[in-house]
Amino acid sequence: DIQMTQSPSSLSASVGGRVTITCRASQDISKYLAWFQQKPGKAPKSLIYDASTLQSGVPSKFSGRGSGTDFTLTISSLQPEDSATYYCQQYNRYPPTFGGGTKVEIK
Amino acid sequence: EVQLVQSGAEVKKPGESLKISCETSGYSFTNYWIGWVRQMPGKGLEWMGITNPDDSDTRYSPSFEGLVTISADKYLNTAYLQWSSLKASDTAIYYCARQQRPYSWLLDSWGPGTLVIVSS
Repeated sequence: DIQMTQSPSSLSASVGGRVTITCRASQDISKYLAWFQQKPGKAPKSLIYDASTLQSGVPSKFSGRGSGTDFTLTISSLQPEDSATYYCQQYNRYPPTFGGGTKVEIK
Repeated sequence: EVQLVQSGAEVKKPGESLKISCETSGYSFTNYWIGWVRQMPGKGLEWMGITNPDDSDTRYSPSFEGLVTISADKYLNTAYLQWSSLKASDTAIYYCARQQRPYSWLLDSWGPGTLVIVSS
């Protein structure tokens, strides 16, 4: 299985600020990476697919970059509602695998 | 609007069987595979497997092969996840989700999850 490593595992940021989460794949996954947001008690919500394409309805404050093995998710203009755990997932090879998650706290 | 509605929470004893469901609407059920993802208490997301409702082709993650059965009924637009003998370690939230596009393991629309508690 392809291992997905996210960093950091948690972070704290201020309202109005910007954060970047990193996801590294154990082998080349081309562009086949998705990002999900999960709030407590809720199902994951798809934010980005194909590394950088926003899902319909997702605000442009979320952006993704990368290809191959290294990817980032950047969230700008942070608001309290952005507090959540964010997961990356590769879907290039079966089985798809998720990163361990990054918990984002907005102060 | 694509909707996935999952069956309610379950409390079961070790050794019991269970089948949970994921009823879909708002799209052509047989055109998109349905996947299942596990989330153990306080933990991350784990891919379990995925099924094609059109022909019942099902792929499992090696970690779950033989431990669960994934199926679908194309006449009821419903997918299922079942266990024949539950263990305490099966305690988790189970999410179903729809494949976003053909020939891809990418999931877009998710159900709200079914909480399964296995305890003696």
